[in-house]
Amino acid sequence: EDQVTQSPEALRLQEGESSSLNCSYTVSGLRGLFWYRQDPGKGPEFLFTLYSAGEEKEKERLKATLTKKESFLHITAPKPEDSATYLCAVQATQGGSEKLVFGKGMKLTVNP
Amino acid sequence: NAGVTQTPKFRILKIGQSMTLQCTQDMNHNYMYWYRQDPGMGLKLIYYSVGAGITDKGEVPNGYNVSRSTTEDFPLRLELAAPSQTSVYFCASSSGSVREQYFGPGTRLTVT
Repeated sequence: EDQVTQSPEALRLQEGESSSLNCSYTVSGLRGLFWYRQDPGKGPEFLFTLYSAGEEKEKERLKATLTKKESFLHITAPKPEDSATYLCAVQATQGGSEKLVFGKGMKLTVNP
Repeated sequence: NAGVTQTPKFRILKIGQSMTLQCTQDMNHNYMYWYRQDPGMGLKLIYYSVGAGITDKGEVPNGYNVSRSTTEDFPLRLELAAPSQTSVYFCASSSGSVREQYFGPGTRLTVT
């Protein structure tokens, strides 16, 4: 069964204190790994898609990386507006299924 | 360009009642999805559609039905509501397989 585990479940940082969020996955064959951001009371907002090990993508203070077993979301010099829940999801190759398997999310709080 | 819209935003149902959650997208996306999100749990796929007239079950389809008569609309029908269907429901769309999904703002449903 495909599984996605995010750690830590919650993280508190001071403004400017860089850190990394981990997403480990177990799938039969990875077609894509996605990172989303979700603010309270809103729908998830797309951040990145990674398709193969070694791939990296950046957007402002965020950088996503991918290995064969896990993905990291690196946050450099975070600001309070980066506070949100970050979701990781994988899409596998099971018989052409369109199913996206989500992790439980990681709540990030950045204090000023 | 409104993206993905959902109605209603909130709804309280009594056990055994039925209702339809509406979802519309204006991006001409062929792929549409329905998820539910429970506290402390990842998003779970209920149903998805890869085009008008084509729907398929996701991970948790029991108690729900869908139809897709147009590209724009993907309503979710709850028959005989049960307390276990209390959740936040998100509709999403994408331009194709293994592509980023755009989420609506969600419908918070309580069944009592």
